[in-house]
Amino acid sequence: AQTVTQSQPEMSVQEAETVTLSCTYDTSENNYYLFWYKQPPSRQMILVIRQEAYKQQNATENRFSVNFQKAAKSFSLKISDSQLGDTAMYFCAFMKRFGGSEKLVFGKGMKLTVNP
Amino acid sequence: DAGVTQSPTHLIKTRGQQVTLRCSPKSGHDTVSWYQQALGQGPQFIFQYYEEEERQRGNFPDRFSGHQFPNYSSELNVNALLLGDSALYLCASSHTGSLPAQFFGPGTRLTVL
Repeated sequence: AQTVTQSQPEMSVQEAETVTLSCTYDTSENNYYLFWYKQPPSRQMILVIRQEAYKQQNATENRFSVNFQKAAKSFSLKISDSQLGDTAMYFCAFMKRFGGSEKLVFGKGMKLTVNP
Repeated sequence: DAGVTQSPTHLIKTRGQQVTLRCSPKSGHDTVSWYQQALGQGPQFIFQYYEEEERQRGNFPDRFSGHQFPNYSSELNVNALLLGDSALYLCASSHTGSLPAQFFGPGTRLTVL
């Protein structure tokens, strides 16, 4: 079974600074996807970024980028120019496509606070 | 374009009762997944529906059941409620065949007393 570990339960950063959130995962699969989701206090889970394991190039979405290290099974999220609206719980998630099924396996999450 | 919608927003039930939660997927999506998120935890996969069939199921008892309708909307039913069923229930929709991306609704907060 796949597992996702987020070892930092909480972090804080000053507005406009850069912060990196860490995630490790365990799987014997070779083809899979990794995601970062954001859950603000409003509780709606929002997809931040996706990485396909077969791609060596790290995914980027505006201020968000990942550092995907397949051999080390590490998948960190970098947030540049942090904004107050980035304050949220951040979840790392793993998905292996099996027979068309898309089941997400989540980590426990990390609370990020951006301070003015 | 409406995103994923869920109803009701909040629900309070007592032990032993039954509950039905509802989800409408994002336009163009044909697959619905349900997750349970306990306080302070990441979401746990309950099951997934595609073409009105349960395609995969997580480690949840048979008290949890679901249904998908021809318009792709879905229901989650929980029978014989336990205190431990208190959680945020999240519905996510996606389109099978596209690069995977699940989009979540705002959730239903269930409290069992």
